[in-house]
Amino acid sequence: DAGVTQSPTHLIKTRGQQVTLRCSPKSGHDTVSWYQQALGQGPQFIFQYYEEEERQRGNFPDRFSGHQYPNYSSELNVNALLLGDSALYLCASSFGPAPFNQPQHFGDGTRLSIL
Amino acid sequence: GQQLNQSPQSMFIQEGEDVSMNCTSSSIFNTWLWYKQDPGEGPVLLIALYKAGELTSNGRLTAQFGITRKDSFLNISASIPSDVGIYFCAGPDSNYQLIWGAGTKLIIKP
Repeated sequence: DAGVTQSPTHLIKTRGQQVTLRCSPKSGHDTVSWYQQALGQGPQFIFQYYEEEERQRGNFPDRFSGHQYPNYSSELNVNALLLGDSALYLCASSFGPAPFNQPQHFGDGTRLSIL
Repeated sequence: GQQLNQSPQSMFIQEGEDVSMNCTSSSIFNTWLWYKQDPGEGPVLLIALYKAGELTSNGRLTAQFGITRKDSFLNISASIPSDVGIYFCAGPDSNYQLIWGAGTKLIIKP
């Protein structure tokens, strides 16, 4: 039973570039949430996708966008990268959207470094 | 917005010691979750609590959902080296978005 898988594991970009991160949910899960975790902090909710639509969004600018495919996998896109976007990006999956989406299962994240 | 405050920020313990950490909020939560994160990995769910007063164990770990619904505690008995890591509490806010504490870092004294 495959857990949540994310790719790539590490990525280095420069300011102004665009990046796409990918996530495959745990088998049987249909909801994907994305989080940003800065060094030394807890994760911060970016947004959640269910039935190929963004259902909820945290306090992140429009530079952060996403997509969910019919097979439930998801992408996180970040445009016009800033130095402050350097972080670990975590994907979590669950069965059902909020408020039924606990507990969530996490992937190991993509470490994004902006130079 | 709602915030979760974890304490202590870090703990130095000797192998075999019991560990206690807690998580508090100024607002009510209906679910408390405890996760552990090892370096280079994502958080792993340890214990989920859904009812005020609930006491739940997972091996050497025990967590409690405070009766005020504004706090939760995690205890680890007889710590072992693999307990090292960062422990996070988390809970869904009024919009059902998961918010997190800043974590308690557990370090084993050499």
